[in-house]
Amino acid sequence: EAGVAQSPRYKIIEKRQSVAFWCNPISGHATLYWYQQILGQGPKLLIQFQNNGVVDDSQLPKDRFSAERLKGVDSTLKIQPAKLEDSAVYLCASGKSGGSSYNEQFFGPGTRLTVL
Amino acid sequence: AQSVTQPDIHITVSEGASLELRCNYSYGATPYLFWYVQSPGQGLQLLLKYFSGDTLVQGIKGFEAEFKRSQSSFNLRKPSVHWSDAAEYFCAVAALSSASKIIFGSGTRLSIRP
Repeated sequence: EAGVAQSPRYKIIEKRQSVAFWCNPISGHATLYWYQQILGQGPKLLIQFQNNGVVDDSQLPKDRFSAERLKGVDSTLKIQPAKLEDSAVYLCASGKSGGSSYNEQFFGPGTRLTVL
Repeated sequence: AQSVTQPDIHITVSEGASLELRCNYSYGATPYLFWYVQSPGQGLQLLLKYFSGDTLVQGIKGFEAEFKRSQSSFNLRKPSVHWSDAAEYFCAVAALSSASKIIFGSGTRLSIRP
């Protein structure tokens, strides 16, 4: 089965510009996650979707970050405007089921964002 | 709130030597515990997980981890490393009440000496 797909793989922008990342989860997976991984740190959850609804966005900087999963399949994460500290790898993951019970997450290769 | 500490930022071992990566967690009860591996340019892959039961957990690629409640530790081990094991390793924890919300440690980078 195909894995989690992400694009682009790399993106370089200047501060105050906008950027969008795309994620296509594994077919049939109801849950989708976006993580931010800053260099030298572990991934940090930004937002979790269950189908097209948001389950947890408590760590999403909502003044500049937004995410959507309109049809409950693929998802986009947007940053507007970008800051230098947004330079990171943005990882998308998906899982079969949802709710609070354990749900193995399968990760995509990530998008490496550099903000100059 | 739960947290994870990986005290070693970078470890180098010789090919064929044994490996132990350290992980300590902070949580009021026994959490769910995980080890992930991240190879350059690739996403994270689950190596193994502990929920309950036998404290020695076997994973993929010949890895194992041992849960020690008294030490709040979940160290990862491998008896003989291969050059292909060079990667970043992340220990992670999740609360039983919100098992889908995984908290990652800062990672340990493993280098293999030929």
